[in-house]
Amino acid sequence: GAVVSQHPSRVICKSGTSVKIECRSLDFQATTMFWYRQFPKQSLMLMATSNEGSKATYEQGVEKDKFLINHASLTLSTLTVTSAHPEDSSFYICSARDFRAEAFFGQGTRLTVV
Amino acid sequence: DAKTTQPPSMDCAEGRAANLPCNHSTISGNEYVYWYRQIHSQGPQYIIHGLKNNETNEMASLIITEDRKSSTLILPHATLRDTAVYYCIVRSKLNQAGTALIFGKGTTLSVSS
Repeated sequence: GAVVSQHPSRVICKSGTSVKIECRSLDFQATTMFWYRQFPKQSLMLMATSNEGSKATYEQGVEKDKFLINHASLTLSTLTVTSAHPEDSSFYICSARDFRAEAFFGQGTRLTVV
Repeated sequence: DAKTTQPPSMDCAEGRAANLPCNHSTISGNEYVYWYRQIHSQGPQYIIHGLKNNETNEMASLIITEDRKSSTLILPHATLRDTAVYYCIVRSKLNQAGTALIFGKGTTLSVSS
């Protein structure tokens, strides 16, 4: 199946700093990518839908100014957590769908804000 | 997309078959049944999907009832590495490239030796 690469896999940052997470579709083009967040012992929660060349669509309750999404090309989307705080500590996962509409997921990024 | 219901947890002995049920009584005619799993601290992994016929691949088998209101994912010989949360998702496949998969709570499968 198609491969989605997410980087970094783990990051620790100080409170108040910003962190960028990259999501790349390695062998297919994805006009749309998705960002999820997962807290311990909970399911994946959709944060936003990232569309190449246009603004992302955020789910209700997700602050668009805090979670900046850029989808500059058909193979790359980035999520920047701005002014991170300890409550932003979570597991962030990206996903992309190929031309058959099958969904593939990155390996996730464990963010810890101290 | 149709709602799915899965048991919160199941246990299975290593080497035995793991049968994970999913109810989707409101499924419509153009909706597929997808199964993903998530091993701890990893992204979800696609397992299998089907419309109405039973499906088999190198990972698992999917049995869909004739009325399509329920299905069972079968791992024929479970190993410790199959311990994960298994998600059953129902959705239409056509023209869905722009929409996300929505995850329920899934079934936590624990395989023990």
